[in-house]
Amino acid sequence: KAGVTQTPRYLIKTRGQQVTLSCSPISGHRSVSWYQQTPGQGLQFLFEYFSETQRNKGNFPGRFSGRQFSNSRSEMNVSTLELGDSALYLCASSFEQGARSNEQFFGPGTRLTVL
Amino acid sequence: AQKVTQAQTEISVVEKEDVTLDCVYETRDTTYYLFWYKQPPSGELVFLIRRNSFDEQNEISGRYSWNFQKSTSSFNFTITASQVVDSAVYFCALSDTDSGSARQLTFGSGTQLTVLP
Repeated sequence: KAGVTQTPRYLIKTRGQQVTLSCSPISGHRSVSWYQQTPGQGLQFLFEYFSETQRNKGNFPGRFSGRQFSNSRSEMNVSTLELGDSALYLCASSFEQGARSNEQFFGPGTRLTVL
Repeated sequence: AQKVTQAQTEISVVEKEDVTLDCVYETRDTTYYLFWYKQPPSGELVFLIRRNSFDEQNEISGRYSWNFQKSTSSFNFTITASQVVDSAVYFCALSDTDSGSARQLTFGSGTQLTVLP
């Protein structure tokens, strides 16, 4: 079974631009979560989507947004990029129901560099 | 609020030594889950184990073992007979109902493990 895939793997942008990152969950997983990883702040939860609805959101400004499609694929968007947005963005998917519903499986991440 | 502390920032051991990674957590919930993930240099977080708050049984999986003690709010991870391939950053994480979603993980700051040949 294919794992979580994220595209692109690497991205370089300049301040003020916007960026869209994509995540395809494991087949059968309907919940998708996003995390930001930086050396200073570590791993921080961004948001979670299920059934095309945002179910939970972390403490990030409104410049960070996301969406989920009917096939469970998810995108996250960051507008008006700042230098501090440089990070590894990780996507995770999980089953919605059952005993293993909160076991999250992560993709390889997208490394975003803002110049 | 929930919190996970991994006091060991970096650990170096020589191959075949045993090593224990410490994890201390804080939560107000009585129902919560604890996780360990491994992050090799490639960046992908690899799921290792999940433990719920009602199951204090220790677990062993090959060279890996986990010791969960609610009395001390700790969930420590031991690698027996370490190998060079175990070199990675290891994260302990917590999810509870207080965070709004069972799928919102609160991570510790990670422990960089280096196994020297």
